[in-house]
Amino acid sequence: QLVESGGGLVQPGGSRRLSCVTSGFTFNTYAVNWVRQAPGKGLEYVSGISRNGIDTFYARSVKGRFTISRDNSKNTLYLQMDSLRPEDTAVYYCATKRQWGQGTLVVVSS
Amino acid sequence: DIVLTQSPLSLSVTPGRPASISCKSSQSLLNSDGKTHLYWYLQKPGQSPQLLIYEVSNRLSGVPDRFSGSGSGTDFTLKISRVEAEDVGVYYCMQSMQLPLTFGGGTKVESK
Repeated sequence: QLVESGGGLVQPGGSRRLSCVTSGFTFNTYAVNWVRQAPGKGLEYVSGISRNGIDTFYARSVKGRFTISRDNSKNTLYLQMDSLRPEDTAVYYCATKRQWGQGTLVVVSS
Repeated sequence: DIVLTQSPLSLSVTPGRPASISCKSSQSLLNSDGKTHLYWYLQKPGQSPQLLIYEVSNRLSGVPDRFSGSGSGTDFTLKISRVEAEDVGVYYCMQSMQLPLTFGGGTKVESK
């Protein structure tokens, strides 16, 4: 199970930190990703992190503004989002290839 | 980035009839590990995506056998042998051959 939290309304230029608490599988054996879905749109990869947290990858649209991290002792994935823009408005999913969370909605608006 | 092109954009299917969705990749998804990194997901209305098929043709445990995946290299197909009412939603293909992970644009399946 993957359970995201931290979404909400944030002003343009603001920051938000998303968390994803996992259970039911051996978290430190999986690469994990953040994928987002803007309202009425398709799926867009945001960022991914390797099992040990050393390797990270970002979509061009968020590189330099978002930071992914994980705490394997807490079975938790994070996404620090800075310099948010209206186009970042979306449901953010925490996901392995096999399992996705229910998502958390981030709305960037003044 | 690898581009995945799905077709059709939408399907209206009579329950009990078959359905087929195509996913074409801009690059081969066959990895040096011998696996082909193509996945199929279904996003039911109001829900998060759920995995149906992994590595082209492997059904996840619990997925009905009316769902099947096939293909190789750059061309892939998801088939539903007899569509049921619970199968409605948007189907996405995804590749994990190369980062960033990329998704097809989705195929919306509706029941007639």
